[in-house]
Amino acid sequence: DAKTTQPNSMESNEEEPVHLPCNHSTISGTDYIHWYRQLPSQGPEYVIHGLTSNVNNRMASLAIAEDRKSSTLILHRATLRDAAVYYCILRDSEKSSGDKLTFGTGTRLAVRP
Amino acid sequence: DTGVSQNPRHKITKRGQNVTFRCDPISEHNRLYWYRQTLGQGPEFLTYFQNEAQLEKSRLLSDRFSAERPKGSFSTLEIQRTEQGDSAMYLCASRPPTGSNSPLHFGNGTRLTVT
Repeated sequence: DAKTTQPNSMESNEEEPVHLPCNHSTISGTDYIHWYRQLPSQGPEYVIHGLTSNVNNRMASLAIAEDRKSSTLILHRATLRDAAVYYCILRDSEKSSGDKLTFGTGTRLAVRP
Repeated sequence: DTGVSQNPRHKITKRGQNVTFRCDPISEHNRLYWYRQTLGQGPEFLTYFQNEAQLEKSRLLSDRFSAERPKGSFSTLEIQRTEQGDSAMYLCASRPPTGSNSPLHFGNGTRLTVT
């Protein structure tokens, strides 16, 4: 499976935008980029996914580099509730192995009031 | 949609005892997954089911671990002769049959402590 690399931790101020980077230089053409987050004492929660084009939903935006070797999850206005571990995961849409998610250690985001 | 439900939330057991966890997926989700998570690590895949068929098992799932989904609805994960290294959060997830990119919905896990 192609790997992703994320910073171990990041900090942000409340109500400011947050850009969480992810590198995936060995991404294949059929890999989708998925983001999940895990709040304290909870299971992971789906955030967003994309293939080539930038994506927006009510939770976040996903900016994908043109060569697809990196992506950035954007939280437009961080709140204290956004403090969590954020996981960037590649999911192969054509392989049966893509049916399971392979988590790394993610980025722990701290939000300062 | 009441979400994925896991019971119990916490389990403390003595080494050598058997434990069983239950997962109730979202109704009509035919795929069900078990993961294990230790402190400071991301969740690690253990096994998954499509309906009642167990389609894949990780090498992490030793012969002391067994998972079942007898009627394609709820699932159980049993650990026999527990060891201290089994202490972890056990997470269950489910997803619907449509769309290869449909997201996994996770429960809040069962935290196992083996003393």
